[in-house]
Amino acid sequence: ETGVTQTPRHLVMGMTNKKSLKCEQHLGHNAMYWYKQSAKKPLELMFVYSLEERVENNSVPSRFSPECPNSSHLFLHLHTLQPEDSALYLCASSQDVTSVTGELFFGEGSRLTVL
Amino acid sequence: QQPVQSPQAVILREGEDAVINCSSSKALYSVHWYRQKHGEAPVFLMILLKGGEQKGHEKISASFNEKKQQSSLYLTASQLSYSGTYFCGTDRDDKIIFGKGTRLHILP
Repeated sequence: ETGVTQTPRHLVMGMTNKKSLKCEQHLGHNAMYWYKQSAKKPLELMFVYSLEERVENNSVPSRFSPECPNSSHLFLHLHTLQPEDSALYLCASSQDVTSVTGELFFGEGSRLTVL
Repeated sequence: QQPVQSPQAVILREGEDAVINCSSSKALYSVHWYRQKHGEAPVFLMILLKGGEQKGHEKISASFNEKKQQSSLYLTASQLSYSGTYFCGTDRDDKIIFGKGTRLHILP
């Protein structure tokens, strides 16, 4: 238990579907992140939120749409995805957005398969 | 640019030692190490800050040489529980950018 919970753990969707991934952190942190983990690739930072404001969008296609309604919840809305978007999507949180001394707490991830 | 890790994979027998290297083409202020077991979330191991500080976590220690822009993770007398993928992360504009990971498999 890392204090970061992701749902669903597994998701299969067609290219025309719309679905959402949810992340909730119970640590009182101010920063939340979405990372994408594909086979044989580095963990790719997608989005960063600090106090509910998006502070980084790492050239992510618009078919991925993040939402942070409060500092404890983070969503990733998915629509018209491509098969190459199949991956493990990891949510993480940290006390603040500054990385120098900040430890990231990761959720267990949502395994997404796009057919 | 993400950091480069080597080797990509290591197979050890329980009790053997291993070294995992992480290098960057850019100047570093900090290096972060995480371990991810199969099907689980990545878990923080340690952060090393500029200054060549060496840190330890159980029988896992790490060094950071900011002049050479590299860090090494040392696993001594490895245990079965050390199996997993080890990621190093480096700072870039206040964000952590991770390498591809090094898969470590410990045999009994």
